Amino acid sequence: GENVEQHPSTLSVQEGDSAVIKCTYSDSASNYFPWYKQELGKRPQLIIDIRSNVGEKKDQRIAVTLNKTAKHFSLHITETQPEDSAVYFCAALNSGYSTLTFGKGTMLLVSP
Amino acid sequence: GAGVSQTPSNKVTEKGKYVELRCDPISGHTALYWYRQSLGQGPEFLIYFQGTGAADDSGLPNDRFFAVRPEGSVSTLKIQRTERGDSAVYLCASSPRGTGGWNEQFFGPGTRLTVL
Repeated sequence: GENVEQHPSTLSVQEGDSAVIKCTYSDSASNYFPWYKQELGKRPQLIIDIRSNVGEKKDQRIAVTLNKTAKHFSLHITETQPEDSAVYFCAALNSGYSTLTFGKGTMLLVSP
Repeated sequence: GAGVSQTPSNKVTEKGKYVELRCDPISGHTALYWYRQSLGQGPEFLIYFQGTGAADDSGLPNDRFFAVRPEGSVSTLKIQRTERGDSAVYLCASSPRGTGGWNEQFFGPGTRLTVL
C-alpha cells in the first residue's frame, strides 16, 4: 500500500518568512496530492491540490510542487501570517483505490 | 449549503460497550469515507462507500468495526466491545464521486470518542 512521509513534524517561523513542508510517497501509481490545513479542534480543510500531470500549482501565497520521478511533493507558503498557524497534512491518492493516505502532519507556528 | 455533519460531537463510553457514530454527507455526494485520527497523527483511512456499497473496507482494524450506508446518504460507523485503544477522533468525508475521481474530500467536524 501507499506510504506517505512528511517533514518536518514542527516548524516555527517569524511572520513574513516563508515555510516549506515536504512529503514523499511510495506508490508510483498515485496521481493526486492534496494538502489539508487543520486548526486546533477543527476539521481538515483543503488548501491546495495538484494532479500528477503538472509540476507546480500556485494560489496566492500558497504553492505546491511535484516531482514524480523522485516521488516528492512540497508545500510552500510565502509571507506567512499568524493565522497560517495550524497543522498541515499532505496526502496521496491512488485513483485505482480512491482512498487518501495522509502524512503525519506538520505543526506550523507563525510568530508575530 | 450545509457541509458534512457528524453526531455526536463527543462520545464517552466504557470499555466493552457498543457505540454508533453518524455521518450526514453533503447532499448529492455519492462517495463517503470514514477516517480515524489519533492525537498527533494524520487521518487514517477506515472504509469507503460508493453509493450504498462498501467499495473498500481494507482500513477497518478488526471485526469489531462495521459501517453501513443503507440508502446511499447517511452512514453509521459501529464499534462493538470498545477498547481504550479505540479512543480517537472519527472523521467522515464525502465527495461528489469516488473511483478515478480527482474530487476534493470534504470533511466533517468529527466525533471524539473516549473509551474509559
